[in-house]
Amino acid sequence: ETGVTQTPRHLVMGMTNKKSLKCEQHLGHNAMYWYKQSAKKPLELMFVYNFKEQTENNSVPSRFSPECPNSSHLFLHLHTLQPEDSALYLCASSQIPSSGRKHTQYFGPGTRLTVL
Amino acid sequence: GDSVTQMEGPVTLSEEAFLTINCTYTATGYPSLFWYVQYPGEGLQLLLKATKADDKGSNKGFEATYRKETTSFHLEKGSVQVSDSAVYFCALSDLVQGAQKLVFGQGTRLTINP
Repeated sequence: ETGVTQTPRHLVMGMTNKKSLKCEQHLGHNAMYWYKQSAKKPLELMFVYNFKEQTENNSVPSRFSPECPNSSHLFLHLHTLQPEDSALYLCASSQIPSSGRKHTQYFGPGTRLTVL
Repeated sequence: GDSVTQMEGPVTLSEEAFLTINCTYTATGYPSLFWYVQYPGEGLQLLLKATKADDKGSNKGFEATYRKETTSFHLEKGSVQVSDSAVYFCALSDLVQGAQKLVFGQGTRLTINP
């Protein structure tokens, strides 16, 4: 148990569906992240939120839409996905120190997404 | 850009064998280095980390030393157990607009046979 929870753990959706992934961190952190883990590829950073502000969008298609209503919650809204979007989506959080030093990210268990 | 290269897997060992998983990196700055582990059906867990040259990270019998001269952070364990079967990821960190960005290697699948 890392203090980062994700729901649902598994999701199957059609290409015309709209769904959302939810991430919640119980660690008091101020930064949250979405990653995509596909088979045989390195983990890919998708989005970064720093104090609820999106600071990075790593060339992610617009069919993925993140939302960070507060520093504890992060959503990934999905619509008109493609079969190649099937992957494990991981959420992470970290505490950015005021000193600017590097810090550790803590990951949730992930949502296994299958797009039919 | 920054990158991490890991030993190709899968790796299969017998219980109590010695483990080494190689990791090298390229970075423009002075990164922190991490090993994460992913057990079947779970997310990534931090295994150990090192933040400066010659630091040794250790946890659960695993060790890795930050070698700046060889840009390496190899993972070692003296005697592996069946419960160590998992995928291991080497990663480095960089700061992007105040938030930490992790760059991961491709992962090494480790299987330990009894």
